[in-house]
Amino acid sequence: GDSVTQMEGPVTLSEEAFLTINCTYTATGYPSLFWYVQYPGEGLQLLLKATKADDKGSNKGFEATYRKETTSFHLEKGSVQVSDSAVYFCALSDRGFGNEKLTFGTGTRLTIIP
Amino acid sequence: ETGVTQTPRHLVMGMTNKKSLKCEQHLGHNAMYWYKQSAKKPLELMFVYSLEERVENNSVPSRFSPECPNSSHLFLHLHTLQPEDSALYLCASSQEGSPEQFFGPGTRLTVL
Repeated sequence: GDSVTQMEGPVTLSEEAFLTINCTYTATGYPSLFWYVQYPGEGLQLLLKATKADDKGSNKGFEATYRKETTSFHLEKGSVQVSDSAVYFCALSDRGFGNEKLTFGTGTRLTIIP
Repeated sequence: ETGVTQTPRHLVMGMTNKKSLKCEQHLGHNAMYWYKQSAKKPLELMFVYSLEERVENNSVPSRFSPECPNSSHLFLHLHTLQPEDSALYLCASSQEGSPEQFFGPGTRLTVL
């Protein structure tokens, strides 16, 4: 079945540092890929997405590129801020059962210190 | 209200209690989902409703009983839960055919 593997946290960085959170996936077809973010006390919010190979999703300074050859969708940001502290989830969608089904990774907790 | 709302935000219940979680979406979507989020585990999809019909039930114990009276509302009825059922329960909605799901803030459930 489909699966998502993302780097275990927690990750702690200083403000303005470069961020990479690794994500790799296993899927039988050609899924869409997502990064969701969960701020403390809130539900998940879609951060960015990519629907086909070589697409780059971007939002709020974050980027991720759909790499079919390495089955990866790593999240990057050039200069993180304290407000980026949250849990980040990589996910893929599988068009089964007539509806979109999301498979999530375990999440990576990111803490940014001033 | 906008987006997806969930009530209550926090719930503490004993193992013999009966309670219900409520989810409401204000986005005009036609599919709704219940997820369970436990520490150090991936989100677990519990139930999917599409056009008010249950289309998926991921081997969830019968002590969890979903109800979808219309496309905007989703309930999760709880009875005789176990301490290991303590978790954050998230509701989400989407437009059928679209991969993007919108999540509510969740209900933090503690079973004593």
